[in-house]
Amino acid sequence: SAVISQKPSRDICQRGTSLTIQCQVDSQVTMMFWYRQQPGQSLTLIATANQGSEATYESGFVIDKFPISRPNLTFSTLTVSNMSPEDSSIYLCSVGRAAYEQYFGPGTRLTVT
Amino acid sequence: GENVEQHPSTLSVQEGDSAVIKCTYSDSASNYFPWYKQELGKRPQLIIDIRSNVGEKKDQRIAVTLNKTAKHFSLHITETQPEDSAVYFCAAHSGAGSYQLTFGKGTKLSVIP
Repeated sequence: SAVISQKPSRDICQRGTSLTIQCQVDSQVTMMFWYRQQPGQSLTLIATANQGSEATYESGFVIDKFPISRPNLTFSTLTVSNMSPEDSSIYLCSVGRAAYEQYFGPGTRLTVT
Repeated sequence: GENVEQHPSTLSVQEGDSAVIKCTYSDSASNYFPWYKQELGKRPQLIIDIRSNVGEKKDQRIAVTLNKTAKHFSLHITETQPEDSAVYFCAAHSGAGSYQLTFGKGTKLSVIP
């Protein structure tokens, strides 16, 4: 399976600021996804990061709040904009391999104060 | 869209006993059903999956069964060990033409030594 890294691993941010999370894969992948996992909760898909086109967002998530870039087949970023304490969560990228398998990055633990 | 229900939310077993976690899904077009194990502070890890063309799959102490007619699938762990303690998530592929996964709410498994 692919080696997936995320930066930063954790951060503490002040409300009103923005944080960009990076996801790097060691091989080219077609599908990349961004998830949010609130404390003690399940995984919620934020968006599918599409290479060369705009991301596809799930209901309840909008581009202005969570802009996503996917400049190539090994890299994507998620920005959490104008943060509030409700954005405190773990953000995970995942990569899709053949036939729907997904593998997750280590996650970014975000705390907003 | 797809909806995945997972039961129980918590499960405690004695070491050496078996554990069973059950999930139901709503979209009859779904054809891929993975299970993830998430240890505290770690990323979700794919431990086993099943596709709709088979009814059962085993990998050492873990097995997954699928009943397409009833739209449910289950994870079976035999001879449980303390290191099996974790949160387990089931998921279902979200239907034709999509690579998305919809996750259940998770089951916290505690194996008591």
